Parts: sequence; C-alpha cells; structure tokens
Amino acid sequence: NAGVTQTPKFRVLKTGQSMTLLCAQDMNHEYMYWYRQDPGMGLRLIHYSVGEGTTAKGEVPDGYNVSRLKKQNFLLGLESAAPSQTSVYFCASRKVAGGLDIQYFGAGTRLSVL
Amino acid sequence: DAKTTQPTSMDCAEGRAANLPCNHSTISGNEYVYWYRQIHSQGPQYIIHGLKNNETNEMASLIITEDRKSSTLILPHATLRDTAVYYCIVRVVGAGSYQLTFGKGTKLSVIP
Repeated sequence: NAGVTQTPKFRVLKTGQSMTLLCAQDMNHEYMYWYRQDPGMGLRLIHYSVGEGTTAKGEVPDGYNVSRLKKQNFLLGLESAAPSQTSVYFCASRKVAGGLDIQYFGAGTRLSVL
Repeated sequence: DAKTTQPTSMDCAEGRAANLPCNHSTISGNEYVYWYRQIHSQGPQYIIHGLKNNETNEMASLIITEDRKSSTLILPHATLRDTAVYYCIVRVVGAGSYQLTFGKGTKLSVIP
C-alpha cells in the first residue's frame, strides 16, 4: 500500500543543471500537485494536474515544468537549476468523493542547488 | 477560503489530551474545517475534517462550535510521535477547489 512515492529523496545539483522529480500514486486519483516548502514556511503550490494529459500553473511556477503523461505519474522538471530552487518538494494526490476532499502527500524530495 | 488563526505553539504532557484551537470567524456555510499535521521532515498528513457536527476517527476528535466560528482538534492521549505542526484549514470542497493553503499552524510539543 504505497500511496504517494517520490523519487529521489535527496539530490544536490550545481547551478544550471537539470533534473526531473518523479511522483507516483497508486490510488487512481485524478488530481495531483507539486508544492515546495522553504524553511519555516508553509507549502506553496508550483503546478497541478486535474487529470491525465492536463497541467496548470500554481502560485510559484517559474523555473519549473511538469508533465502528466500517465494518470499515476506526475513529473516536475527543473531545466536550469538556480540556488533559489533549494527547497523541499512535496507531491500530493487528491481524493474527491462526496464530502471528502483529502490530499495525500509523499515523503518529500530535498533538493540543494549549489 | 476563510482565514484561520491558530496559536503559534503549545506544549502537552505525554499521555494527556492535547486540545488545539482554531478560530475561523469568517467561515462560510459551505466551507469545511480540515486538519492536517506535518511531522518534522515528513509530508503533511490528513487528520480529520467536519462541516458542523463533531467528528471522531482513530486519530482525533474535532469539536466545532455551534456558530462554526471556531473549532478544537483533540488528541485524546498524546504521545511523543504526535509532536508536529498542526494546520487548520477552512475550505470549500469539491472539484473547483484545487489548492490547499497551509498557514503557519500550531507547533505541538509533546513532553515526556
């Protein structure tokens, strides 16, 4: 019963390098989200998806791209990493059913950009 | 989504009940009260939610005042593993509401 799985758990990048963070969910949820959390702050929404093949911008989308080619996967890409993108990244999938509206989060990816 | 106000921090003795308050005086009739928590270095975790009736599950109880302007999350027998930041979120539910907005929350420290 995996839930939401994020890979990798940790990564160190040099400025200008690129990478892709993978989020996988096994709950058949339509909605998926990418957030970032900086020290002492709340979560900020980067991008989200309301279903396979769809993506939309959140609160802080600049410098990131996403893809949702398969329902169970939501990828977050950094094309040219910057030190300002040092953060903890959380993926979530969302269950909406009747009066239920719950987001399930992964364990996070800790990214440092030097 | 309605704004919420929570104390910055609270302490609770291990084994005692932890009562975490939340004020949401501008809540609308169709907004639910949700509670999540975030244990250090982990992703947020859903705890419980309610509209106007009190709710209980295996993790906690949620008491909502009759006027719905405030609520209290109760952890009946706090353990050290309950040390976390607890977030009270008020929001409309359903397909039109995409984002969870986490405020500062309450940092609960359970003390041995």
